[in-house]
This record gives sequence, C-alpha cells and structure tokens, in this order.
Amino acid sequence: DQQVKQNSPSLSVQEGRISILNCDYTNSMFDYFLWYKKYPAEGPTFLISISSIKDKNEDGRFTVFLNKSAKHLSLHIVPSQPGDSAVYFCAASPVVVGNQFYFGTGTSLTVIP
Amino acid sequence: DGGITQSPKYLFRKEGQNVTLSCEQNLNHDAMYWYRQDPGQGLRLIYYSQIVNDFQKGDIAEGYSVSREKKESFPLTVTSAQKNPTAFYLCASSPSNYEQYFGPGTRLTVT
Repeated sequence: DQQVKQNSPSLSVQEGRISILNCDYTNSMFDYFLWYKKYPAEGPTFLISISSIKDKNEDGRFTVFLNKSAKHLSLHIVPSQPGDSAVYFCAASPVVVGNQFYFGTGTSLTVIP
Repeated sequence: DGGITQSPKYLFRKEGQNVTLSCEQNLNHDAMYWYRQDPGQGLRLIYYSQIVNDFQKGDIAEGYSVSREKKESFPLTVTSAQKNPTAFYLCASSPSNYEQYFGPGTRLTVT
C-alpha cells in the first residue's frame, strides 16, 4: 500500500516558468517531509525538507509547501532551468527514532529550453 | 572528500548465485539504509541500521541479508531466494533520522 503518492509521472515546463510537483500522503503520523532529485543511473540528492510545524520552506529557487489538513505537499521551482530536468521524489517519515522514510514513485520533470 | 561509495556500478550474475553489493561511507553517519528501485516505482526500503551490529528489516527484506560490523560499511547480500533480484540498488546514510545521503547505486542484472 503506497503511503506516499505522486500522481503525475511526468511534467513538462518551459524554461523560466514555474514547475509545481505534487505529493500526497495517507499516514497522519508523518511529520517530516523531504524532496530529492535524481538523474538516471545516479543516487538521489537531497533538495529541501519541511517539518509539520511549518507550512512553507524556501531555499533559493525551491520552495516546499505543506498542507497538513489535506495531507498534501508541493515543490515549486521558480524559475525552472533545463538543468532541473530530472526525476523528483518526495519522502515522508514519522519523527520517531528508528523509523524509515517512505518514498513516492517520482515525477519526471522536463524543462524545455 | 567525504561521501558514499557503492561498487560495482554494474553487476551481472547468473540465477541461483548469491551476490554481495558493497556500500561504504566516510561521513561518520550512524544510520545506513538499503533501497531498491524498480521502473515506475519509488524507492523501497530493504534493510536499515541505526548503529553498528544492529539492523532492522524494511518493507521488502525477504531474500536479502545485511551485516553492520563497522560503522563505515553496510554490505547487502542478494540471495538466491530473492525472486526478482534484477533492480537498481541504492545505499544511503544519515547522521540522524533526517536527511539521507545516497550513493551512486548499483545496477544488478540476474539472468
């Protein structure tokens, strides 16, 4: 049973525009969320995180929004650049020592020059 | 420089053979993890270890085994009992229970 879902397998955006990647989760115990970026045949690299005490976290061009009541988070990339083309995974975890992260299935972002 | 290394990058084995994937980190992280990625699926946790000489099963541990004799090393053995071993395997480490840092991955093909 997939506890973290990314319902859009792919997304195409023009360079310079905003990319919005969405993630939904089902477990109300999840309290900490992360976004990773992954290129083919490489390991994921950490992008940005957010804990449930916040509803927004910003790091440069990347902003993550969390709506706990809707069990939804989104990653905004502004402006989008061709180098942002990759697969993006969201992950969630209950903040308890020894617990694991649950990953979504990923969204493949293509930024068109 | 610090990081996580996985070797080899590509690995080929015959069905029925056990194979061990290497994962080493020099980040001084306590926790280490093994994931598997299949096409169209997210990362699924195989095993994780919070401290040396201790590890726990993840969601898909059947057919796999691990050891954690040293803080820096967390090798994964894919046994012949694993029914669908062909996949991309990712190792990660973490200084706490928060951000995980991933290695480059090993693509295992079993024929």
